[in-house]
Formats: sequence, structure tokens, C-alpha cells
Amino acid sequence: AQSVTQLDSQVPVFEEAPVELRCNYSSSVSVYLFWYVQYPNQGLQLLLKYLSGSTLVKGINGFEAEFNKSQTSFHLRKPSVHISDTAEYFCAVSDNTNAGKSTFGDGTTLTVKP
Amino acid sequence: EAEVAQSPRYKITEKSQAVAFWCDPISGHATLYWYRQILGQGPELLVQFQDESVVDDSQLPKDRFSAERLKGVDSTLKIQPAELGDSAMYLCASSFFQGNYEQYFGPGTRLTVT
Repeated sequence: AQSVTQLDSQVPVFEEAPVELRCNYSSSVSVYLFWYVQYPNQGLQLLLKYLSGSTLVKGINGFEAEFNKSQTSFHLRKPSVHISDTAEYFCAVSDNTNAGKSTFGDGTTLTVKP
Repeated sequence: EAEVAQSPRYKITEKSQAVAFWCDPISGHATLYWYRQILGQGPELLVQFQDESVVDDSQLPKDRFSAERLKGVDSTLKIQPAELGDSAMYLCASSFFQGNYEQYFGPGTRLTVT
């Protein structure tokens, strides 16, 4: 069975500061990893994904993430955040077993303060 | 840009009543997902369809929940009877195929059971 742990439930940060949102996963097979963002009362939107190849993945809105197989981590980073980045962020894992079922973490609330 | 449509956006119902949600995925997407998202948690998969077939409904409370995707296009999720603990956001998502394909989410239906 696969699982996802988002290590921080809330991350407050000042505008223009860097941020890292941490995600660890567990799975017995090769995985595909995703980060989604959710704004209040909306659905989730894909930020970036890792399927294979380069371990550094770049996404939308200036976000990037690094896949670390040995540490089973997929941390999300942004060098300089904006007020508009305030949202809930979810890490998710899926694989090609079990019909490709995706498992989501419980989310990290990023609050960017002026 | 194609989007996943869901209706209604908000639903208030009394316990023991029946309620239904509708989802229209992006055209051409074979895989459709229904998730339940309780406040402060990540989405939990209720049911996954591949075309018109259910491939995973292990977390669907089958005594009160049902889901169908008769023609392999749009889908309906029903709850009968609704219970107070069913209050949550119900998200529909679709993807081109299962596994390593990103999921596109609809705006969700916010259900409140009184």
C-alpha cells in the first residue's frame, strides 16, 4: 500500500521569502508523484509532476520539486513567494498497480504575509 | 480550455434525505474519479471508473452511496440516506487514463447535512 505524509500542516512565510513544503511517501513499487494547489472553495490544480527522468521538476507559478528516491521525498520549493501563493498544497502519489490509484496527503496550508 | 463540470456547487440537505451530484469530465478522458474531502484533510478516493466500469470502490460506503457512469461519459454520485458525517466537499476528477496521467479536478460540490 502507498501512503503520503506532508510534514507540515501550516507554513507561514513573508512575501518574497523562499519556501519549502515537505512531502514523504512510501510505496513498494515505482511511483509517480504530483503536487496540486487548492484555493478556497475550488478544486485542485496540478502544479507539477514527476513521472521519470530528471529528478528536478519545474512547474507552474515558479514552483519546482525534487524527487529523492533514497529519502522517499518529493519536496516543493519556490525561491520567492507572493501573496497570491496563499493556498492549500497537496502532495499525491500513484503507481501502475491497483488501477493507478492516487493517494493524497492531508495538505499544507501556505500563508504568505505582507 | 476544457474543464470538468460539477453540479450543484453547494447543497444543503437534512439527514435521512437523498442527494445526488453530477459530473461531466473532460471530453476523451477515460478515467473518472469521485473523491470526498473532509475539511482539513486531503481528498479520499470513493470510486474510480475506467470508461463505464468500476475499477476501485473499496472506500465507497455501499450501504448508502452509489455511483454510475452508464455511457462512460458523465457520472452521478448518490447518497441515500444522508448522514451528518457526510458533510464534506465532493470532488470529481478525470484523466486521459489511469496511473501516471494527471488528474483534472472540477470545482466540487460542498455538501452540508443538517
